[in-house]
Amino acid sequence: SSVLTQPPSVSVAPGKTASVTCGGDNIGSMSVHWYHQKPGQAPVLVIQHDSDRPSGIPERFSGSKSGNTATLTITRVEAGDEADYYCQVWSRTSSSDHSVFGTGTKVTVL
Amino acid sequence: EVQLLESGGGLVQPGGSRRLSCTTSGFTFSLYAMNWVRQAPGKGLEWVSGIIGSGDTTYNTDSVKGRFTITRDNSQNSVYLQMNSLRADDTAVYYCARSWKLGSGLDYWGQGTLVTVSS
Repeated sequence: SSVLTQPPSVSVAPGKTASVTCGGDNIGSMSVHWYHQKPGQAPVLVIQHDSDRPSGIPERFSGSKSGNTATLTITRVEAGDEADYYCQVWSRTSSSDHSVFGTGTKVTVL
Repeated sequence: EVQLLESGGGLVQPGGSRRLSCTTSGFTFSLYAMNWVRQAPGKGLEWVSGIIGSGDTTYNTDSVKGRFTITRDNSQNSVYLQMNSLRADDTAVYYCARSWKLGSGLDYWGQGTLVTVSS
């Protein structure tokens, strides 16, 4: 099955820009979705299909992809953005289809 | 308002079985795929199973194949996860989540239900 690698942690000062990467084989040919999760809460979808922002998600959140790396960018970071962030793809293989989440990144606002 | 509510969690012995339910409201249930995602204590997210809107096609992650079965009842707006041969490493909060189709983003989630596998 696919493995999606994220940095364990990213630290950013308020008002600055945070970037979270997600790397994996063949990710360039897959739709990448991004979630944030605050302690004790369910995940929330913040980016779908690489770069599409769901209704209600601030424009400060954006997604991009280049080669085998997808990136979630958060501009003008706020204290409320502190959370765990996960990427996700749907993987099609010769044996079966399945979904995979990345290893997760804890974003800390300094 | 879209709502998803899981139930059925609890303490179960190794080798035992448990059936989780996810009751939904606020949307046309049969049009959407449904997923189960779990999170072991202090760990990351793991997709477990998915089922398309008609219920005809299901997929599972390798670690639960042959043990877990996802089903749905569109007349009851509910999706289920039958878990058999439970192991300690199945201990987790189990979330149900909606997606437009399997492979789309999971746009609504329940609050989760905790399953603890222990003797």
